Amino acid sequence: DIVMTQTPSSQAVSAGEKVTMSCKSSQSLLYSENKKNYLAWYQQKPGQSPKLLISWASTRESGVPDRFIGSGSGTDFTLTISSVQAEDLAVYYCEQYYDTPFTFGSGTKLEIK
Amino acid sequence: EVQLVESGGGLVQPGRSLKLSCVASGFTFSNYGMNWIRQAPGKGLEWVAYISSGSSYIYYAETVKGRFTISRDNAKNTLYLQMTSLRSEDTALYYCARELPGDCWGQGVMVTVSS
Repeated sequence: DIVMTQTPSSQAVSAGEKVTMSCKSSQSLLYSENKKNYLAWYQQKPGQSPKLLISWASTRESGVPDRFIGSGSGTDFTLTISSVQAEDLAVYYCEQYYDTPFTFGSGTKLEIK
Repeated sequence: EVQLVESGGGLVQPGRSLKLSCVASGFTFSNYGMNWIRQAPGKGLEWVAYISSGSSYIYYAETVKGRFTISRDNAKNTLYLQMTSLRSEDTALYYCARELPGDCWGQGVMVTVSS
């Protein structure tokens, strides 16, 4: 199974600050034939269902604010929020859909100071 | 509006069975693969099962293989999860989600396995 490791487990930042969170996979998520990374980022706000923010490591979903930026390739990925807003309070999960079983990271909990 | 609505959860004793349903609306259900994903109380997300649009491809997590069965009825726009031999560790909020990655999720349905 592909193991997804997210760091940090939690992070507290002030509104307006930039925040980065990491997701590392135990094997490459880059499919050579189409040059795509099979990595997604989700946001789960308290009491809500997860919401897809980014697919293919860096493609923002429709309606997702451009302060959310996905980057990385292979085994190392990053989600950056360029200027955190109060409504970004949530747990952020990465997921690989390169191979079954599809696996999630344990999440990064973002707290607003 | 794209919508997924799960139902069928509840309290069940260990070893018993339960069948979850997920009704889809607002999109052409038969064109999309579907997933069941669960979240134990206070824990992270765990992918459970996937079924392709025409049911040709089905995959399970090892933790449920042989006990759970994913299926769909495209005429009824409905996804199912038949769960048997339930264990306490199956206690979770069960979500259905569209496609890989999951671009639309339901609100979830709670399954509690306890005597």
